[in-house]
Amino acid sequence: TQLLEQSPQFLSIQEGENLTVYCNSSSVFSSLQWYRQEPGEGPVLLVTVVTGGEVKKLKRLTFQFGDARKDSSLHITAAQPGDTGLYLCAGAVGNQFYFGTGTSLTVIP
Amino acid sequence: SQTIHQWPATLVQPVGSPLSLECTVEGTSNPNLYWYRQAAGRGLQLLFYSVGIGQISSEVPQNLSASRPQDRQFILSSKKLLLSDSGFYLCAWSGDSYQTEAFFGQGTRLTVV
Repeated sequence: TQLLEQSPQFLSIQEGENLTVYCNSSSVFSSLQWYRQEPGEGPVLLVTVVTGGEVKKLKRLTFQFGDARKDSSLHITAAQPGDTGLYLCAGAVGNQFYFGTGTSLTVIP
Repeated sequence: SQTIHQWPATLVQPVGSPLSLECTVEGTSNPNLYWYRQAAGRGLQLLFYSVGIGQISSEVPQNLSASRPQDRQFILSSKKLLLSDSGFYLCAWSGDSYQTEAFFGQGTRLTVV
């Protein structure tokens, strides 16, 4: 079983603040995905990163894949209440996806 | 476009009763299919995955089993539920090519009482 640790586990910030979520592993992944999940719903894919060192931007969200393809980060600029949710990273190994421990983000208006 | 359907959305079952959760995918062929379980506010634990009809791989030995009777149908079952089987169950699919993403159904909230 591949283990991905996310930090922090919980994060509560004021609207307009910046934040970074980390996803770390000792395993190498062929790709890494970030998802956001609302309570009672399935995770929704935000982005996939494939190349070591790759950086992708999605509006106020910036995703980075580590050079060694073992870790990743998600940075949110000027957080908004709509960003509230559970953020999950997932590493792909062949045709299997292994999920991180999750980061619960609350953005207070 | 591809869609994934999972039902029921919620289920309350007594201890010792059987379980059958169904998942179907539309708009694609030969998908990889997955069952995950999620504890409240936490990450997803991979239970089973399948790369084709009748091909099931189990990640965690437990009280559950999975079957894939048709290309786009994946079923999660139990003969006798335990209290510890309570949780949020998610079905997902991915393409059969290398390095594709997983897409999820809406999930089933199972409560064993």
